[in-house]
Amino acid sequence: DQQVKQNSPSLSVQEGRISILNCDYTNSMFDYFLWYKKYPAEGPTFLISISSIKDKNEDGRFTVFLNKSAKHLSLHIVPSQPGDSAVYFCAAGGGTSYGKLTFGQGTILTVHP
Amino acid sequence: NAGVMQNPRHLVRRRGQEARLRCSPMKGHSHVYWYRQLPEEGLKFMVYLQKENIIDESGMPKERFSAEFPKEGPSILRIQQVVRGDSAAYFCASSPRSISATNEKLFFGSGTQLSVL
Repeated sequence: DQQVKQNSPSLSVQEGRISILNCDYTNSMFDYFLWYKKYPAEGPTFLISISSIKDKNEDGRFTVFLNKSAKHLSLHIVPSQPGDSAVYFCAAGGGTSYGKLTFGQGTILTVHP
Repeated sequence: NAGVMQNPRHLVRRRGQEARLRCSPMKGHSHVYWYRQLPEEGLKFMVYLQKENIIDESGMPKERFSAEFPKEGPSILRIQQVVRGDSAAYFCASSPRSISATNEKLFFGSGTQLSVL
């Protein structure tokens, strides 16, 4: 039962261009969403979050968009930098998932110089 | 302010042995979560503990796995009689408050890579 899905295992973009990572969820009770970044041999680090009462949250080069009717969120990185190359996980919390975050499978982002 | 500390970073066990993974949460955090990442998969929730209490263990396998978070000391994830399928990266995370009530984020440790020979 995969309640949070990242359907693109990988994404490759050129430095300076926009990276768009997508995430879909099935549980309509989720009420907040997060993106984490993970480098090899390290733990995930928090990037940005959004509450279900908003449809957009921006922090520097990172913007998260939430479309509740479509149960879809996306992370935009602009401009992309080689240091952004990592695995990106979306996560969801709230509702019946009391006390825990549910993660997607991750998307490997590669930014080429 | 030290982050979430996990040890060991790498643990090698033979089939049938026991594995003990330790996690010290960030200072001031009383909520601990264990996640497992199998090869080519995402992070799967295992268990959520608050000091001396298991709050949610819905992601824990029914047998061989146990977790504790005593009043003093680190949280321990214990795997008895390990099998090859237990080989994975085990991540611990902590938060200062219940994440469901406060939209709190989790802070993760660097993980323990368990390899079962």
